[in-house]
Amino acid sequence: AQTVTQSQPEMSVQEAETVTLSCTYDTSESNYYLFWYKQPPSRQMILVIRQEAYKQQNATENRFSVNFQKAAKSFSLKISDSQLGDTAMYFCAFTPAQAGANNLFFGTGTRLTVIP
Amino acid sequence: EAGVAQSPRYKIIEKRQSVAFWCNPISGHATLYWYQQILGQGPKLLIQFQNNGVVDDSQLPKDRFSAERLKGVDSTLKIQPAKLEDSAVYLCASSSGPDRLVGYTFGSGTRLTVV
Repeated sequence: AQTVTQSQPEMSVQEAETVTLSCTYDTSESNYYLFWYKQPPSRQMILVIRQEAYKQQNATENRFSVNFQKAAKSFSLKISDSQLGDTAMYFCAFTPAQAGANNLFFGTGTRLTVIP
Repeated sequence: EAGVAQSPRYKIIEKRQSVAFWCNPISGHATLYWYQQILGQGPKLLIQFQNNGVVDDSQLPKDRFSAERLKGVDSTLKIQPAKLEDSAVYLCASSSGPDRLVGYTFGSGTRLTVV
């Protein structure tokens, strides 16, 4: 079974500071994809960043970067220079790489508040 | 590119009534998903379509939930009869194919309240 755990229900950060959101997962798959999604009050899930498990290099998208530790099954998200617009729920998600089995498994989310 | 369209945005019904949600995916996206997101939880897959065929409906409560995707384009999800525990946001998503890194595009969801 695939499970995704986010152990921080809520976090806050001062504007312009850096914050790290934690995510661990459990799977027997050898290859898979990991994602961080942002869900603002509008409810639409917005892709923040994605990582292929077989790639050693950590993904980076502007102010967002990940620390992917495959052996530890850890996939944390670092947000640098936090902005007020970053306030939202953040979900870590996993999907196996095998063909056809492309359901996304989500964690329970972390509510991030950026404080002015 | 237009996004994933969902309607209605909100719906309030009494228990035992029926309700239907509609989703129009991004044009050309072969795969369509319905997720249920209960307050305080992450989304959970209800059903996955590939074109107009069902790929995975193992988590769909088939005694009360049904879904169809006629002609492999838009889709409807129905609940009949609704229970209080069906109160949730119902999210539709679509993806273009096997390259998972292309990503999944989500709609804004329908918030259902069953009273």
